[in-house]
Amino acid sequence: NAGVTQTPKFRILKIGQSMTLQCTQDMNHNYMYWYRQDPGMGLKLIYYSVGAGITDKGEVPNGYNVSRSTTEDFPLRLELAAPSQTSVYFCASSSQGGTEAFFGQGTRLTVV
Amino acid sequence: RKEVEQDPGPFNVPEGATVAFNCTYSNSASQSFFWYRQDCRKEPKLLMSVYSSGNEDGRFTAQLNRASQYISLLIRDSKLSDSATYLCVGLNYGGSQGNLIFGKGTKLSVKP
Repeated sequence: NAGVTQTPKFRILKIGQSMTLQCTQDMNHNYMYWYRQDPGMGLKLIYYSVGAGITDKGEVPNGYNVSRSTTEDFPLRLELAAPSQTSVYFCASSSQGGTEAFFGQGTRLTVV
Repeated sequence: RKEVEQDPGPFNVPEGATVAFNCTYSNSASQSFFWYRQDCRKEPKLLMSVYSSGNEDGRFTAQLNRASQYISLLIRDSKLSDSATYLCVGLNYGGSQGNLIFGKGTKLSVKP
């Protein structure tokens, strides 16, 4: 059971570099989410999607972009990395909004 | 005021103790609530949903008090393996879609 798979697990970026965090799920879930978690803080929603071709901003979308071309994949793009984006990023999916969300193992990103 | 607030702890308890966590929410329109468990450096996982009538799962009991806008989690007969951070989660209907709002979490440490 793969569930939600995120890659990479760890990454160090230099300021101004760009990268894409990959997320894929094999549960045929319509809803997918990207959260970031800073030390001692709760998860903050960056972007979410309710189906292929549909995305919407969450609480902290600035500096990020997403796309949802297929049901399975929901990549998160950082265009110009900044130290404030140092965080742990979690991708999650659920069959419907407000039902159990399944999380990937997270990506630990450090921007130096 | 944050939408979902929790006492961050840490709660340090001996094995076998009973421990209770409370969580308050500000959005009176929130319909659904959950407790998630997050182990150190791991992804959050659903512990239990919280229903209006309250629900119990083994040693865990969750209750919802809509009048006072708080949710509680009671853990009886604590085990060492219960050591983790417990996240209170509310469902916020933003626009036409739902998304999950996470509290910062309450850290529990169960000692021998």
